[in-house]
Amino acid sequence: SQTIHQWPATLVQPVGSPLSLECTVEGTSNPNLYWYRQAAGRGLQLLFYSVGIGQISSEVPQNLSASRPQDRQFILSSKKLLLSDSGFYLCAWSAHRTGLGNTIYFGEGSWLTVV
Amino acid sequence: DAKTTQPTSMDCAEGRAANLPCNHSTISGNEYVYWYRQIHSQGPQYIIHGLKNNETNEMASLIITEDRKSSTLILPHATLRDTAVYYCIVRVAGNQFYFGTGTSLTVIP
Repeated sequence: SQTIHQWPATLVQPVGSPLSLECTVEGTSNPNLYWYRQAAGRGLQLLFYSVGIGQISSEVPQNLSASRPQDRQFILSSKKLLLSDSGFYLCAWSAHRTGLGNTIYFGEGSWLTVV
Repeated sequence: DAKTTQPTSMDCAEGRAANLPCNHSTISGNEYVYWYRQIHSQGPQYIIHGLKNNETNEMASLIITEDRKSSTLILPHATLRDTAVYYCIVRVAGNQFYFGTGTSLTVIP
């Protein structure tokens, strides 16, 4: 069966510091990968999605970036964090196939507090 | 952007059916309706999805109107553990899933 893991689960970072959140998927190949962010009391905002290694699409311009160095690895980064980057970050995956009946599955999430 | 509209919050008595509505009047012919729920501080959990026909699984039933402009998620016997935010999503062409703000369901003892 497929599993998705992301880490760290919780982190507190000072303003201006770098960020790296990592996500890996097991049990499938060539998945579509996603990063979402959820601010406190808000809905989920799609940040990035990837359909393959090195292929990243950005939904929202910001000081965050994403990379996919390996097939099942997705990394969310920032060179300098802002207070507004605080939130709950979720990695997700879906099978790489055409058609719209394709379910997305989420990781456990990472809580980021920028102080 | 989300293509769905849901009530902000709902209450349901424990043991009763919870009926969560969703409007998606601009849905296209090949777009599916998905439902997820999110318990606080956890990743969203997949519940069910459908295209045209009504669907049922071990968690819930999904009723889609004939014109596909709205749908209802039914939790047949709500329990306290069903208290969560429920998201109705229409997946647009491509690989993106856009979530709205969802319905906060509170199951009352």
